[in-house]
Parts: sequence; C-alpha cells; structure tokens
Amino acid sequence: QLQLQESGPGLVKPSETLSLTCTVSGGSISSSSHYWGWIRQPPGKGLEWIGNIFSSGSTYYVPSLKGRVTISVDTSKNQFSLNLSSVTAADTAMYYCARQLRGGGTYYYFDWWGQGTLVTVSS
Amino acid sequence: DIVMTQSPDSLAVSLGERATITCKSSQSVLYSSNNKNYLAWYQHKPGQPPKLLIYWASTRESGVPDRFSGSGSGTDFTLTISSLQAEDVAVYYCQQYYSTPFTFGPGTKVDIK
Repeated sequence: QLQLQESGPGLVKPSETLSLTCTVSGGSISSSSHYWGWIRQPPGKGLEWIGNIFSSGSTYYVPSLKGRVTISVDTSKNQFSLNLSSVTAADTAMYYCARQLRGGGTYYYFDWWGQGTLVTVSS
Repeated sequence: DIVMTQSPDSLAVSLGERATITCKSSQSVLYSSNNKNYLAWYQHKPGQPPKLLIYWASTRESGVPDRFSGSGSGTDFTLTISSLQAEDVAVYYCQQYYSTPFTFGPGTKVDIK
C-alpha cells in the first residue's frame, strides 16, 4: 500500500527557510502516471496548493509563492522536498504531501495524501 | 485563477437524512475535448489527511460508500450524502484540476443535528 510521510522541523524562525521532505513507500516516485505535490492548510483556514513536481524534475508552483518556493525530487531515495524561503507567521500551517494522477499530459486529482506535518513560524 | 466557492459554510443534518453541498467555479471546468469535468471532492476529518471521495465530478473513488454521490457540470456541482452517518462528520472540499493553480473551495462543515 502506498504511503507518503512528511518529515522536517516543526518550528522555523521568521525569515528562515522551511524545509520538508516527503518519503514515498509502496510505490515509485518515478512513475510516469503521477505528479507529486505539496498542499498546506493554515490553522482554521482552507487548503492551498503550493506546487508539484514530476519525476523528470519539472515543477509547477502557485504564483503567490513563486520566488520563495522550490520543490525538488530525489528518485534514488524515492523522496521529494519542499523549500520555502523567507517565511513569516503567515506560513504557519499543516503541510501535506500528496500524489496527483497524471493523464494525457495533464493533471488530474490528488488521490493519496500524507498525514501532514505542522510547521510553526515563530521566534 | 479559478475561484471555487461552496455553500453552505456549514450544515447540521439528522442521522439518516440527506446532506447536500454545492460548489461553484468562476469558470467552466468542463474540458470539451473529452467532455470531463475536472472537479474533485474531498472529505477532511480532524487529525487525518483529506480523503478523495469523488473525481470527474461524479466518479466515486474505490471504497467510498455509495451514499456519497457527485453531480453537475460546467460551473455548478453538488455533493450529496444520501443518508448521513455519524462517521461522515467532516469538512468537505471541492477542488478544480482544470488549470493551474489548482484551487480548493473554502470547505463545508457537516455535523449531526
């Protein structure tokens, strides 16, 4: 069974870089049928898609975070990672990694999610 | 960006009764080339990740009880729980995957009356 597990610091200082890793088990991150994405949920708010990556390394980011966000993939470790720079309190959120189906060269729905990890930005 | 809206913000329904949630997109999410609506529904319970319920606006994910159904096309969609069970208490989100950035509705909280 597929499993996605987020890992990384739960507390990040303002202006620093938030770094999270998603480890995929039970499936290959090199699958041609899937993208791998990050989605976050600030406390008491809704879900926000951050970006995703294909195993080739091609990425897509939400415009509001462009310039601060980088998603990378390590196929040898079956992992993909999120870096978000210059964080503020507004970046405090539950961060989920998720698998997104790919078909016909385009994106489909998120069919598998990690449990999520809470990241707090505070000094 | 495609803006997703949902109504109501919350609703309380008696056990065994019907719950209906609507979702509207600011532009059509119907892809004319394949006649598919790029719209999904997720169930989100506290302490758990969101769970895919419905995709292509009306296709139930494997293992999802048949009391959950989705309908609609273009810009207007509905998620119906035909007979609410205690385990259905959750926040429900619609999401479009028609175009980037992928966007979610604000969510509808479903409780037991």
